[in-house]
Amino acid sequence: AQTVTQSQPEMSVQEAETVTLSCTYDTSESDYYLFWYKQPPSRQMILVIRQEAYKQQNATENRFSVNFQKAAKSFSLKISDSQLGDAAMYFCAYKGRGSNYKLTFGKGTLLTVNP
Amino acid sequence: GAVVSQHPSRVICKSGTSVKIECRSLDFQATTMFWYRQFPKQSLMLMATSNEGSKATYEQGVEKDKFLINHASLTLSTLTVTSAHPEDSSFYICSAPGGGKQSSTDTQYFGPGTRLTVL
Repeated sequence: AQTVTQSQPEMSVQEAETVTLSCTYDTSESDYYLFWYKQPPSRQMILVIRQEAYKQQNATENRFSVNFQKAAKSFSLKISDSQLGDAAMYFCAYKGRGSNYKLTFGKGTLLTVNP
Repeated sequence: GAVVSQHPSRVICKSGTSVKIECRSLDFQATTMFWYRQFPKQSLMLMATSNEGSKATYEQGVEKDKFLINHASLTLSTLTVTSAHPEDSSFYICSAPGGGKQSSTDTQYFGPGTRLTVL
């Protein structure tokens, strides 16, 4: 079974600074997808970024980028120029290509942004 | 991205009553939807997979008779918590794969959640 591990229960960053959230996963599959979701205090789950395992190029979405290391099974999220609105719980998630759409979530990292 | 709605956003009920929560995909069709439960400061726990036109698939440990799921159409799934008790109080979230600009069915989109409080 696949597992997703987020080793940082909480992180904090100063506004305008950069922060990296860690995620590792375990799988025997070669083709899969990885996601970062953000859950702000409203509790609405918002897709931040998505990575397809067969693509070597790291995904980027504006201030958000990932460092995908397939051999190491690592998928970290970098937030640049942090903003107060980035404060949220961040979940790393895994989906196998043939897994009937099911997501496996990590336990989450609570990010605080200090003004 | 795709939009998924949930109704109601918040519900308070008495112990022993039943509560129905609706999940709708607003701008795309979803033959599969998912229901999650989330306790405070914890991750999402998958309860069941809702399948249009067939029975739902429940995760281990989830009571089928307590959490009734009906996938009535390609855009609507409902979760009914039957004979609710205080321990059923939680935040329930639905999701659906598909829609949006990012490669159709490989990405899940989430509803805003329903906070259930059972007195």
